Amino acid sequence: QQQVKQSPQSLIVQKGGISIINCAYENTAFDYFPWYQQFPGKGPALLIAIRPDVSEKKEGRFTISFNKSAKQFSLHIMDSQPGDSATYFCAASLGDKIIFGKGTRLHILP
Amino acid sequence: DTGVSQDPRHKITKRGQNVTFRCDPISEHNRLYWYRQTLGQGPEFLTYFQNEAQLEKSRLLSDRFSAERPKGSFSTLEIQRTEQGDSAMYLCASSRLQETQYFGPGTRLLVL
Repeated sequence: QQQVKQSPQSLIVQKGGISIINCAYENTAFDYFPWYQQFPGKGPALLIAIRPDVSEKKEGRFTISFNKSAKQFSLHIMDSQPGDSATYFCAASLGDKIIFGKGTRLHILP
Repeated sequence: DTGVSQDPRHKITKRGQNVTFRCDPISEHNRLYWYRQTLGQGPEFLTYFQNEAQLEKSRLLSDRFSAERPKGSFSTLEIQRTEQGDSAMYLCASSRLQETQYFGPGTRLLVL
C-alpha cells in the first residue's frame, strides 16, 4: 500500500531549539524521499531530499536521518528560527508520483 | 517564486458550474503534474503529462475532471458540474524527466 505516515501533526519549539518531525512508509519500492516546506498561500517548496542508500543528509540547519530497515525517516531542524514556522511534508516517490504525508504545522516561539 | 505560474489564484463558483484552471510550467520542463490539496492534508496526485501525453490519472480524477496539455507547454484542468467536495487548492508542478518537482502557488477553489 502506498502510504506515508507523518507525526506529530503540530509542533511548538522555542527559538534556538531542535525541531524533529518523523515519517514512516510501507512500500519498500519507494526510491526518493523529499521533504517539502509550505507557507500559507504558497505551493510546497523542496527543502531537502534523500535516497534510501544513504543514512543521513545534511544541508545547513536541516538534516534527514533515514532508517531503511525500520522504514522510517526524520527531519531535524537545528537552531530553529521563527522564519522556519511553516507546514512541513515528508513524502516518498515511486517513479513519477509523489506520495505526501499529512503534514506537520511547526511554530517556532520567538 | 519557482517559475511555475497558475491562474487564477482564487476562484469562487456556484455548485454545478464549470471551472478551468491554467498552469504554465518552467519552460524547459517536459513533465507537468496536477495535485489537489484539502485543508490539513498533503497534496494528492491527480494526473501528469510528459510533453503533451497524459501518462497517468489517479482514481481521484472523476469523469467530471479533464486535463490537457495540447502543445506540451501550458496545461489546463477543467472541472465540470462542480460539487462542494471539489473545494480545495489545486496545485501544478513541473520537472525535467524524473527530477525534482517544482510547485506553483496553486489555485484555491471554493464551491458554494
